[in-house]
Amino acid sequence: SQQGEEDPQALSIQEGENATMNCSYKTSINNLQWYRQNSGRGLVHLILIRSNEREKHSGRLRVTLDTSKKSSSLLITASRAADTASYFCATTGESGYSTLTFGKGTMLLVSP
Amino acid sequence: NAGVTQTPKFQVLKTGQSMTLQCAQDMNHEYMSWYRQDPGMGLRLIHYSVGAGITDQGEVPNGYNVSRSTTEDFPLRLLSAAPSQTSVYFCASSTQGGSSYGYTFGSGTRLTVV
Repeated sequence: SQQGEEDPQALSIQEGENATMNCSYKTSINNLQWYRQNSGRGLVHLILIRSNEREKHSGRLRVTLDTSKKSSSLLITASRAADTASYFCATTGESGYSTLTFGKGTMLLVSP
Repeated sequence: NAGVTQTPKFQVLKTGQSMTLQCAQDMNHEYMSWYRQDPGMGLRLIHYSVGAGITDQGEVPNGYNVSRSTTEDFPLRLLSAAPSQTSVYFCASSTQGGSSYGYTFGSGTRLTVV
């Protein structure tokens, strides 16, 4: 069964605005990862945050993790048209050495 | 270029036919997985392997077989194709099972079963 649920399912913004996507999961995790998928392409790993971390940054990306609420958020600042894609959160099991369990994704559209 | 290579990119099968989706990685990753992606369903795990000679089932294994004779290759076999197997299939690999680094995905195989 799906571990994560992203919210919203779809998000439409203008270039320059910030985009925030949320992810909730059900069971204890070792880490949570965010992936981007451009239309018709494979998934690209964006960022990984461990269960003992609360916030992580990478370029224009900021990820937060709240293990007490079993939730995470991905913030993309100063969005560009090239950020248009689907974004998925995925979790690993508590041991860490495991496969990924994905949510259903958020479709982001950034208009020029 | 280092990465995960999937072949073919597109395939049309008739119901009942069998075929093998190929997946190869050149990063010496121990972990390899197969996912299927259907509209509105995200990615679901079919089978995975934690090393040569070791495979296990994921969430949706029925109708699929895998084997892992080498570290590099992880083929997915459809035994008797059914329309319900129409999907986009992704192979992925990682080191340390995603505990420290993310997974690397192939570009996918789009399969249609008629």
